[in-house]
Amino acid sequence: EAGVTQSPTHLIKTRGQQATLRCSPISGHTSVYWYQQALGLGLQFLLWYDEGEERNRGNFPPRFSGRQFPNYSSELNVNALELEDSALYLCASSKGQAYNEQFFGPGTRLTVL
Amino acid sequence: GEDVEQSLFLSVREGDSSVINCTYTDSSSTYLYWYKQEPGAGLQLLTYIFSNMDMKQDQRLTVLLNKKDKHLSLRIADTQTGDSAIYFCAEEAGRRALTFGSGTRLQVQP
Repeated sequence: EAGVTQSPTHLIKTRGQQATLRCSPISGHTSVYWYQQALGLGLQFLLWYDEGEERNRGNFPPRFSGRQFPNYSSELNVNALELEDSALYLCASSKGQAYNEQFFGPGTRLTVL
Repeated sequence: GEDVEQSLFLSVREGDSSVINCTYTDSSSTYLYWYKQEPGAGLQLLTYIFSNMDMKQDQRLTVLLNKKDKHLSLRIADTQTGDSAIYFCAEEAGRRALTFGSGTRLQVQP
Protein backbone atom coordinates (compact mmCIF):
# COMPACT_ATOMS: atom_id res chain seq x y z
CA GLU A 1 0.00 0.00 0.00
CA ALA A 2 1.45 3.37 -1.03
CA GLY A 3 1.96 5.89 1.72
CA VAL A 4 1.25 9.60 1.74
CA THR A 5 3.00 11.30 -1.14
CA GLN A 6 3.96 14.95 -1.42
CA SER A 7 5.26 17.10 -4.23
CA PRO A 8 7.53 18.74 -4.92
CA THR A 9 10.30 17.45 -2.69
CA HIS A 10 11.99 20.82 -2.68
CA LEU A 11 10.71 24.26 -3.59
CA ILE A 12 12.67 27.48 -3.76
CA LYS A 13 10.85 30.80 -3.93
CA THR A 14 11.60 34.43 -3.28
CA ARG A 15 9.91 36.76 -0.83
CA GLY A 16 6.48 37.88 -1.93
CA GLN A 17 5.90 34.95 -4.28
CA GLN A 18 3.28 32.23 -3.84
CA ALA A 19 3.99 28.57 -3.16
CA THR A 20 1.74 25.60 -3.87
CA LEU A 21 2.40 22.29 -2.17
CA ARG A 22 0.57 19.08 -3.00
CA CYS A 23 -0.35 15.99 -1.04
CA SER A 24 -1.95 12.67 -1.94
CA PRO A 25 -3.31 10.69 1.00
CA ILE A 26 -3.15 6.96 1.50
CA SER A 27 -5.81 5.26 -0.60
CA GLY A 28 -9.06 5.11 1.34
CA HIS A 29 -8.15 7.98 3.65
CA THR A 30 -10.45 10.99 3.56
CA SER A 31 -8.74 13.31 6.06
CA VAL A 32 -5.64 15.34 5.24
CA TYR A 33 -3.58 17.38 7.68
CA TRP A 34 -0.84 19.93 7.12
CA TYR A 35 1.97 20.71 9.55
CA GLN A 36 4.90 23.08 9.44
CA GLN A 37 8.28 21.98 10.83
CA ALA A 38 10.40 25.09 11.09
CA LEU A 39 13.83 25.34 12.69
CA GLY A 40 13.50 26.46 16.25
CA LEU A 41 9.70 26.24 16.26
CA GLY A 42 9.16 22.52 15.98
CA LEU A 43 6.15 20.91 14.42
CA GLN A 44 3.04 23.05 14.30
CA PHE A 45 -0.44 22.15 13.15
CA LEU A 46 -1.65 24.15 10.16
CA LEU A 47 -4.87 22.72 8.69
CA TRP A 48 -7.19 19.73 8.69
CA TYR A 49 -9.43 18.84 5.75
CA ASP A 50 -12.00 16.10 5.67
CA GLU A 51 -14.48 15.31 2.91
CA GLY A 52 -13.54 18.52 1.11
CA GLU A 53 -14.17 20.80 4.08
CA GLU A 54 -11.76 22.65 6.34
CA ARG A 55 -12.36 21.19 9.82
CA ASN A 56 -9.71 22.90 11.91
CA ARG A 57 -7.05 25.54 11.50
CA GLY A 58 -3.92 26.27 13.52
CA ASN A 59 -2.61 29.62 14.58
CA PHE A 60 -1.35 30.77 11.17
CA PRO A 61 -2.17 33.91 9.17
CA PRO A 62 -4.77 33.80 6.37
CA ARG A 63 -2.08 33.78 3.68
CA PHE A 64 -1.78 30.08 4.53
CA SER A 65 -4.70 28.41 2.84
CA GLY A 66 -5.57 25.16 1.19
CA ARG A 67 -8.19 22.96 -0.26
CA GLN A 68 -9.12 19.35 -0.63
CA PHE A 69 -10.21 17.90 -3.93
CA PRO A 70 -12.95 15.30 -4.58
CA ASN A 71 -10.26 12.59 -4.83
CA TYR A 72 -9.13 13.64 -1.29
CA SER A 73 -5.79 15.02 -2.43
CA SER A 74 -4.95 18.42 -1.06
CA GLU A 75 -3.08 21.61 -1.84
CA LEU A 76 -1.47 24.02 0.58
CA ASN A 77 -1.02 27.54 -0.72
CA VAL A 78 1.20 30.10 0.92
CA ASN A 79 0.83 33.63 -0.42
CA ALA A 80 3.12 36.61 0.00
CA LEU A 81 5.98 34.40 1.14
CA GLU A 82 8.16 35.59 3.98
CA LEU A 83 11.63 34.39 4.91
CA GLU A 84 10.29 32.72 8.06
CA ASP A 85 8.02 30.52 5.96
CA SER A 86 11.10 28.47 5.11
CA ALA A 87 10.38 25.08 6.63
CA LEU A 88 9.55 21.46 6.00
CA TYR A 89 5.84 21.12 5.31
CA LEU A 90 4.45 17.76 6.27
CA CYS A 91 1.17 16.31 5.13
CA ALA A 92 -0.58 13.49 6.95
CA SER A 93 -3.71 11.49 6.30
CA SER A 94 -6.12 9.41 8.32
CA LYS A 95 -9.09 7.21 7.48
CA GLY A 96 -11.55 9.92 8.44
CA GLN A 97 -12.92 12.03 11.24
CA ALA A 98 -13.43 9.06 13.53
CA TYR A 99 -9.86 7.81 13.16
CA ASN A 100 -7.10 9.39 15.18
CA GLU A 101 -3.99 7.82 13.62
CA GLN A 102 -2.23 10.27 11.33
CA PHE A 103 0.25 8.88 8.82
CA PHE A 104 2.81 11.33 7.51
CA GLY A 105 4.39 11.90 4.14
CA PRO A 106 8.07 12.74 3.57
CA GLY A 107 7.43 16.48 3.34
CA THR A 108 8.17 19.37 1.03
CA ARG A 109 11.17 21.52 1.89
CA LEU A 110 10.26 25.15 1.13
CA THR A 111 13.09 27.66 1.01
CA VAL A 112 12.26 31.34 0.75
CA LEU A 113 15.11 33.58 -0.39
CA GLY B 1 -2.23 26.62 26.41
CA GLU B 2 -0.83 23.35 25.21
CA ASP B 3 2.82 22.56 25.73
CA VAL B 4 4.74 19.33 25.31
CA GLU B 5 8.28 18.98 26.62
CA GLN B 6 10.96 16.39 26.00
CA SER B 7 14.63 16.12 26.80
CA LEU B 8 16.78 16.79 23.75
CA PHE B 9 19.20 13.90 23.73
CA LEU B 10 19.60 10.32 24.94
CA SER B 11 22.53 8.00 24.34
CA VAL B 12 22.37 4.26 25.04
CA ARG B 13 24.38 1.16 24.20
CA GLU B 14 23.07 -1.41 21.76
CA GLY B 15 21.08 -4.07 23.61
CA ASP B 16 20.16 -1.78 26.51
CA SER B 17 16.68 -0.37 27.11
CA SER B 18 15.95 3.23 26.18
CA VAL B 19 13.44 5.35 28.04
CA ILE B 20 12.29 8.58 26.45
CA ASN B 21 10.21 10.88 28.61
CA CYS B 22 7.64 13.53 27.81
CA THR B 23 5.49 15.88 29.84
CA TYR B 24 2.39 17.66 28.62
CA THR B 25 0.15 20.32 30.05
CA ASP B 26 -3.29 19.85 28.52
CA SER B 27 -5.35 17.68 30.83
CA SER B 28 -8.04 17.30 28.18
CA SER B 29 -5.71 15.34 25.91
CA THR B 30 -7.52 12.34 24.48
CA TYR B 31 -4.70 10.58 22.68
CA LEU B 32 -0.95 10.68 23.13
CA TYR B 33 1.41 9.55 20.41
CA TRP B 34 4.98 8.57 19.76
CA TYR B 35 6.47 9.26 16.35
CA LYS B 36 9.93 8.45 14.98
CA GLN B 37 11.77 10.59 12.45
CA GLU B 38 14.86 9.31 10.68
CA PRO B 39 17.14 11.65 8.71
CA GLY B 40 15.52 12.77 5.47
CA ALA B 41 12.33 10.90 6.22
CA GLY B 42 8.87 11.89 7.39
CA LEU B 43 7.33 10.98 10.70
CA GLN B 44 6.59 7.35 11.37
CA LEU B 45 3.77 6.60 13.81
CA LEU B 46 5.15 4.16 16.37
CA THR B 47 2.32 3.81 18.82
CA TYR B 48 -0.32 5.76 20.68
CA ILE B 49 -2.24 5.49 23.90
CA PHE B 50 -5.72 6.59 24.82
CA SER B 51 -5.87 8.81 27.87
CA ASN B 52 -7.86 6.32 29.94
CA MET B 53 -5.07 3.74 29.70
CA ASP B 54 -2.00 3.45 31.91
CA MET B 55 0.13 1.25 29.73
CA LYS B 56 0.35 -0.13 26.23
CA GLN B 57 2.82 -2.70 24.97
CA ASP B 58 3.63 -3.35 21.33
CA GLN B 59 6.51 -5.75 20.73
CA ARG B 60 9.68 -3.92 21.90
CA LEU B 61 7.78 -0.75 22.72
CA THR B 62 6.11 0.02 26.04
CA VAL B 63 4.21 3.24 26.63
CA LEU B 64 3.47 4.35 30.17
CA LEU B 65 1.04 7.15 30.95
CA ASN B 66 0.79 8.89 34.31
CA LYS B 67 -2.21 11.10 33.82
CA LYS B 68 -1.98 12.67 37.26
CA ASP B 69 1.54 13.94 36.58
CA LYS B 70 0.88 14.42 32.83
CA HIS B 71 3.89 12.27 32.09
CA LEU B 72 4.32 9.94 29.15
CA SER B 73 7.24 7.62 28.50
CA LEU B 74 8.37 5.33 25.71
CA ARG B 75 10.53 2.37 26.57
CA ILE B 76 12.37 0.58 23.77
CA ALA B 77 13.64 -2.83 24.82
CA ASP B 78 16.84 -4.29 23.33
CA THR B 79 17.69 -1.04 21.53
CA GLN B 80 19.32 -1.50 18.13
CA THR B 81 21.41 0.87 16.00
CA GLY B 82 18.42 1.09 13.64
CA ASP B 83 16.50 2.75 16.46
CA SER B 84 18.74 5.81 16.23
CA ALA B 85 16.42 8.65 15.28
CA ILE B 86 14.49 11.59 16.70
CA TYR B 87 11.45 10.59 18.75
CA PHE B 88 8.53 12.98 19.09
CA CYS B 89 5.77 12.77 21.60
CA ALA B 90 2.51 14.45 20.65
CA GLU B 91 -0.82 15.09 22.28
CA GLU B 92 -4.22 15.58 20.77
CA ALA B 93 -6.67 17.66 22.74
CA GLY B 94 -9.38 17.48 20.15
CA ARG B 95 -10.18 18.36 16.55
CA ARG B 96 -7.23 16.30 15.35
CA ALA B 97 -4.60 19.03 15.90
CA LEU B 98 -1.50 17.35 17.27
CA THR B 99 0.85 19.33 19.50
CA PHE B 100 4.37 17.97 19.28
CA GLY B 101 7.31 18.11 21.62
CA SER B 102 10.65 19.30 20.32
CA GLY B 103 11.88 15.74 19.89
CA THR B 104 14.47 13.56 21.64
CA ARG B 105 17.47 12.47 19.61
CA LEU B 106 18.29 8.86 20.47
CA GLN B 107 21.83 7.78 19.72
CA VAL B 108 22.57 4.06 19.95
CA GLN B 109 26.22 3.19 20.45
CA PRO B 110 27.34 -0.17 19.01
